[in-house]
Amino acid sequence: GEDVEQSLFLSVREGDSSVINCTYTDSSSTYLYWYKQEPGAGLQLLTYIFSNMDMKQDQRLTVLLNKKDKHLSLRIADTQTGDSAIYFCAETFISGGYNKLIFGAGTRLAVHP
Amino acid sequence: SQTIHQWPATLVQPVGSPLSLECTVEGTSNPNLYWYRQAAGRGLQLLFYSVGIGQISSEVPQNLSASRPQDRQFILSSKKLLLSDSGFYLCAWSTLKPGNIQYFGAGTRLSVL
Repeated sequence: GEDVEQSLFLSVREGDSSVINCTYTDSSSTYLYWYKQEPGAGLQLLTYIFSNMDMKQDQRLTVLLNKKDKHLSLRIADTQTGDSAIYFCAETFISGGYNKLIFGAGTRLAVHP
Repeated sequence: SQTIHQWPATLVQPVGSPLSLECTVEGTSNPNLYWYRQAAGRGLQLLFYSVGIGQISSEVPQNLSASRPQDRQFILSSKKLLLSDSGFYLCAWSTLKPGNIQYFGAGTRLSVL
């Protein structure tokens, strides 16, 4: 079935770049997303990429999509302590004519001085 | 602009008691609405979604039910809570605009004791 996998934990030094990786299974996904969850809060959309794109950049965020390998990554440049959070990758899945999201388990990013 | 409200933020309930969590959306009409559950350290599990008033689809058989009495109101209920119902419940909405982005509420932390 549909599945999204992420590494569970990433630790980086403040000022370095962070790269969070994700693999997905549904090759028909039209959009792929990155959400951020801070402790005790809901999910905040960071960015999304259409499946016909290879890359999308938005300020400190760069998303790379490799459709052949079904691999999605999120790069955060100049990582700050405020970037510490859980990052979820999600793919779209169409079932019964309805567009759903399948989420990974989330990657916990810890930023240390 | 659109906003989504969830309440209560936290809830402690005894086993066997009823449950009612409410979610409302403002600033949009005929949204798709979703209920998710997030177990500790896990990803998001889709529980219910709704494409219109009175239209509810269940993803996972369980002790919970959902209702949509009004266009922008989504309610998650249970007649008798189980210990396993503990978790973080998130409501989300989306439209059919390009991107099919889901926007999340702040969540309800439910502890069943």
